[in-house]
Amino acid sequence: SQQGEEDPQALSIQEGENATMNCSYKTSINNLQWYRQNSGRGLVHLILIRSNEREKHSGRLRVTLDTSKKSSSLLITASRAADTASYFCATDGGTSYGKLTFGQGTILTVHP
Amino acid sequence: NAGVTQTPKFQVLKTGQSMTLQCAQDMNHEYMSWYRQDPGMGLRLIHYSVGAGITDQGEVPNGYNVSRSTTEDFPLRLLSAAPSQTSVYFCASKKNSGNTGELFFGEGSRLTVL
Repeated sequence: SQQGEEDPQALSIQEGENATMNCSYKTSINNLQWYRQNSGRGLVHLILIRSNEREKHSGRLRVTLDTSKKSSSLLITASRAADTASYFCATDGGTSYGKLTFGQGTILTVHP
Repeated sequence: NAGVTQTPKFQVLKTGQSMTLQCAQDMNHEYMSWYRQDPGMGLRLIHYSVGAGITDQGEVPNGYNVSRSTTEDFPLRLLSAAPSQTSVYFCASKKNSGNTGELFFGEGSRLTVL
């Protein structure tokens, strides 16, 4: 079964708006990561947040982590058409060797 | 640096045929893994390796074999292809086998089994 589950499954917004995607997971983690996948391409790492961190920023990305609720959110501010992609969260299940389990992803469409 | 290179990019097989998906990385990464991506299922881990000579099963290993004779290469073998193995396959690597670090993905191999 999938460790991470993203919500919503699909999100459609206008350029300039913010996009928020949520991820829930089931077991303990060492860290949680977010990846992006453009259509027909491989996944690209966006950001990693450790289990002892509550919030992390990288450019227009803001990630929060609530380990008590086993949930994370990814906020993309001031979205651009180029942000159109699928976004996945990935968790390590608390393992020591970094085996990552991915959720089903959120498909983000940003309209110009 | 080419990163993670997968070949072939596209392949069509008949049921029962065997084939090998190739994966090579030039970043001297310890950890390598194979995922399959199916619509509505996200990515599921098939096999992974924490170093040369060491492999282990992931979530969906049945019908697939792997080996890791060198640090650079991690081929995925389909022993007797079935239509259920129609999917997009991704190879991914990271620097070490610890619990930190990002995965670097190849561009994928799209397999159709008729």
